[in-house]
Amino acid sequence: AQTVTQSQPEMSVQEAETVTLSCTYDTSESDYYLFWYKQPPSRQMILVIRQEAYKQQNATENRFSVNFQKAAKSFSLKISDSQLGDAAMYFCAYRSYNFGNEKLTFGTGTRLTIIP
Amino acid sequence: NAGVTQTPKFQVLKTGQSMTLQCAQDMNHNSMYWYRQDPGMGLRLIYYSASEGTTDKGEVPNGYNVSRLNKREFSLRLESAAPSQTSVYFCASISGGWRIQETQYFGPGTRLLVL
Repeated sequence: AQTVTQSQPEMSVQEAETVTLSCTYDTSESDYYLFWYKQPPSRQMILVIRQEAYKQQNATENRFSVNFQKAAKSFSLKISDSQLGDAAMYFCAYRSYNFGNEKLTFGTGTRLTIIP
Repeated sequence: NAGVTQTPKFQVLKTGQSMTLQCAQDMNHNSMYWYRQDPGMGLRLIYYSASEGTTDKGEVPNGYNVSRLNKREFSLRLESAAPSQTSVYFCASISGGWRIQETQYFGPGTRLLVL
């Protein structure tokens, strides 16, 4: 079974600065997806960024980028130019590539605080 | 296009009472999921349905039953609620398929308090 570990329960960053959230995972599969989800106080789960394991290029979405290290099974999220609206819980998640097995395995989350 | 909807938003139950959490999606997705979220635990899969007419257990299925009523709807039932089932429940859906290039869409959540 796959496991996802987020070792930073809480992080804080000054507004406009850069912060990196860590995620490691364990799997025996060679193909899979990795995700970062954001959960603001409204509790809605919002997809931030997605990475396919077969792609060597790191995914980017505006101010959000990942550092995907497949051999190390590491998937960190970098948020540049942090904004007050970035304050939320951030969850790393794993999904198998296999058809009919799209369920997500989540880490325990990192609470990000933005300091004005 | 409402996406994934869940009812109710909030519910208080007494121990031993039963209730059904409703979930519906209007995106013609094949697969649907129920997760629960507890403090410090992340989201954990309760049950899922890869297609209409099929359901499978996830990581924490005890105390729950599900019904995939049709392609749109996937309900979660608590037959005899226990305080340990106090949680926030999320429904999610995905189109499914071989190497499909998309991810799960989540509903807004149902907050359940069992006294």
